[in-house]
Amino acid sequence: KAGVTQTPRYLIKTRGQQVTLSCSPISGHRSVSWYQQTPGQGLQFLFEYFSETQRNKGNFPGRFSGRQFSNSRSEMNVSTLELGDSALYLCASSQQQGPYEQYFGPGTRLTVT
Amino acid sequence: GENVEQHPSTLSVQEGDSAVIKCTYSDSASNYFPWYKQELGKRPQLIIDIRSNVGEKKDQRIAVTLNKTAKHFSLHITETQPEDSAVYFCAASDNSGYSTLTFGKGTMLLVSP
Repeated sequence: KAGVTQTPRYLIKTRGQQVTLSCSPISGHRSVSWYQQTPGQGLQFLFEYFSETQRNKGNFPGRFSGRQFSNSRSEMNVSTLELGDSALYLCASSQQQGPYEQYFGPGTRLTVT
Repeated sequence: GENVEQHPSTLSVQEGDSAVIKCTYSDSASNYFPWYKQELGKRPQLIIDIRSNVGEKKDQRIAVTLNKTAKHFSLHITETQPEDSAVYFCAASDNSGYSTLTFGKGTMLLVSP
């Protein structure tokens, strides 16, 4: 099976702009979670989607949002970008919701200038 | 919420030595504990996991142990090789029904030939 894919792999944006990142899970996986990875904070949970519904959300401002489509593909959006949003954004897919194995995509490296 | 502490932050060993990385968690409801390996510039890869109804799990040179009473779990790598050099993350997931993982800050393992 193909692994988790994410597009684009790299993005450079300016403060105040918005950005949309995409994640395609492993075929058959219905749960998609998003994480932000930074050198200082490590891996932090953003949100989780299952069957097009956001089931859980981490401690991030409302500028961070997401959605999931009927084919389980997911997008996350960050509005009014700040310098501190520069990070590697990783999505992970899991076959089911709950404490099951999660497989990560390669990530999108977002740089905000 | 869950809090996961990971030690040490850096670990240097000689090829052939064993390496041990330790994590503690705060939420006694956590019941799933995966370990991820992340090589430079690559995605986190699931290398082993353990559930709360099991005390130890092995996979070739890698083993994980769990002490529920003390709320800590450890990764053991035997006969280390240079290709084991990477950042290792522990994580915990509770039984809330969500897939949310709370990660430790990571351990950079350096294996010298």
